[in-house]
Amino acid sequence: AQSVTQLDSQVPVFEEAPVELRCNYSSSVSVYLFWYVQYPNQGLQLLLKYLSGSTLVESINGFEAEFNKSQTSFHLRKPSVHISDTAEYFCAVSDSGGGADGLTFGKGTHLIIQP
Amino acid sequence: DAGVTQSPTHLIKTRGQHVTLRCSPISGHKSVSWYQQVLGQGPQFIFQYYEKEERGRGNFPDRFSARQFPNYSSELNVNALLLGDSALYLCASSLGQHQPQHFGDGTRLSIL
Repeated sequence: AQSVTQLDSQVPVFEEAPVELRCNYSSSVSVYLFWYVQYPNQGLQLLLKYLSGSTLVESINGFEAEFNKSQTSFHLRKPSVHISDTAEYFCAVSDSGGGADGLTFGKGTHLIIQP
Repeated sequence: DAGVTQSPTHLIKTRGQHVTLRCSPISGHKSVSWYQQVLGQGPQFIFQYYEKEERGRGNFPDRFSARQFPNYSSELNVNALLLGDSALYLCASSLGQHQPQHFGDGTRLSIL
């Protein structure tokens, strides 16, 4: 069985400061990893994904995440945050094998940007 | 191009009733998955359908059922509603079973 742990339920940070949202996973098989963002009263938007290849993946709005297999982590980072980044962020894992068990999500991290 | 669309956006039911939620995937996507998101939690996987067949099921009771139609749209049915079924129900579509999933805005179901 897979599981995802997001270590911080809430992360306050000042505007233009760097931020890291932590995600650790456990799985007995190879995995795909995702970060999704959820704004109030909306569904989830795919922020970035790791399927294979380079362990550093980037999004178009300045976020990046690094897959670390030895530490079973997929932390999300941004060097300088903006007020508009205030949202709930979810880390998710999917079995890359033959199973169809959907995405397993963490409980989410609420990123709060302070002016 | 239209994203994943879900209907209705909000729904209020009473205990014991049943409900049907609908989802239209992104054009060309053949896989649809359903998730339940209780307030303050991450989404929990309910079902995945691919090419009109159930391919995966999460840890939900038999009161939950779903189906996928020839046009790849999908319905989620919940019978004998309980207060604990109050949640945001999210539908996600993808090109294939193990491709990145794209979510709709969800149906917020409130049980009185």
